[in-house]
Amino acid sequence: NAGVTQTPKFRILKIGQSMTLQCTQDMNHNYMYWYRQDPGMGLKLIYYSVGAGITDKGEVPNGYNVSRSTTEDFPLRLELAAPSQTSVYFCASKQQGRLSGYTFGSGTRLTVV
Amino acid sequence: GENVEQHPSTLSVQEGDSAVIKCTYSDSASNYFPWYKQELGKGPQLIIDIRSNVGEKKDQRIAVTLNKTAKHFSLHITETQPEDSAVYFCAPEEAAGNKLTFGGGTRVLVKP
Repeated sequence: NAGVTQTPKFRILKIGQSMTLQCTQDMNHNYMYWYRQDPGMGLKLIYYSVGAGITDKGEVPNGYNVSRSTTEDFPLRLELAAPSQTSVYFCASKQQGRLSGYTFGSGTRLTVV
Repeated sequence: GENVEQHPSTLSVQEGDSAVIKCTYSDSASNYFPWYKQELGKGPQLIIDIRSNVGEKKDQRIAVTLNKTAKHFSLHITETQPEDSAVYFCAPEEAAGNKLTFGGGTRVLVKP
């Protein structure tokens, strides 16, 4: 099993451009998450989903959008990129229910210039 | 939401010594307490977790202890090795069971 796969690994955007960060998992996990990690900092939750068709805001949702049309995929959309969105983005998934840990992808490093 | 604090923020130890990281949380209804290790350029990886019905759990050189009354849990690494150098995060689960809240991280450096 591949686990959680994120693409691309690196990307440079110009201010005002848009892009979609892709995340897919092959573990049949219902729960999926997007976090951002600024240099030297912890992880902040952007959006999460508890199943196909269901999404919810996390701590820092402004400037982002998500969709969950299938169990496997949870793309993160950046509209009108800003320098403040320069960060490393991690996607994660977990089994439904409490008391279980996340599986993380390897991250997408995004720079907005 | 859950407030999570992690101490210390950096920890330098000599190879072979022990390391202890403490995590305090605010949600008394939390029941699941994992620790993650993040190596440079990689995503966090679950290394050990504990549920609220036990006070301690060990896995070889790492252990987690939980004090639910005081709302804190700790990561213990014994006989540290250079490959233990990484950033460690605690991430207690919110009572609703939908998401984890991450602490600010502890950068551990093991000096040979």
